[in-house]
Amino acid sequence: AQSVSQHNHHVILSEAASLELGCNYSYGGTVNLFWYVQYPGQHLQLLLKYFSGDPLVKGIKGFEAEFIKSKFSFNLRKPSVQWSDTAEYFCAVPEGNTPLVFGKGTRLSVIA
Amino acid sequence: ETGVTQSPTHLIKTRGQQVTLRCSSQSGHNTVSWYQQALGQGPQFIFQYYREEENGRGNFPPRFSGLQFPNYSSELNVNALELDDSALYLCASSQGTANYGYTFGSGTRLTVV
Repeated sequence: AQSVSQHNHHVILSEAASLELGCNYSYGGTVNLFWYVQYPGQHLQLLLKYFSGDPLVKGIKGFEAEFIKSKFSFNLRKPSVQWSDTAEYFCAVPEGNTPLVFGKGTRLSVIA
Repeated sequence: ETGVTQSPTHLIKTRGQQVTLRCSSQSGHNTVSWYQQALGQGPQFIFQYYREEENGRGNFPPRFSGLQFPNYSSELNVNALELDDSALYLCASSQGTANYGYTFGSGTRLTVV
């Protein structure tokens, strides 16, 4: 079965620092990949998704992710984080009848 | 366009009781999926309903059951509650099962004591 690993449990960054959150999925073939964000007290929102084509995907709020098939990875990046980026970030991939298999999430805390 | 609404927002139940959680899908969406998010974990898929039929189920016991109504709203029922059922229950709706435009609700926080 497909599984998603997010190795960073909690990341603490200063404002303006660069961000990279890791995501690995367990097996290849055709994959669709997603990053979701959950701001405190809010619902899950889609940040970006990859279906095919350019492996560098741009999302909302200045986020981007790069699909590297050989590494089974889909890491999330942002050049300069803001305090408002404090949230929990989830990587997800569909499998069979399961709409989304989620990773355990990475909590990002941005400090002034 | 309305989003996904879930009720209630918080609930406390006693072990052994039964609970029903409700979800109103986004306008125009005919598919609803449910997830359980335990503390410190990512959401785990429970099941999905498409046009009132269950069409996918995760690794959850039969005491987790659901319904989808003609207006595409949905219920999640959990019987014989256990302490480990304490979690945030999320509902997501979409248009069809192959369209990945999921809209999530804010969830119901269930505490079993």
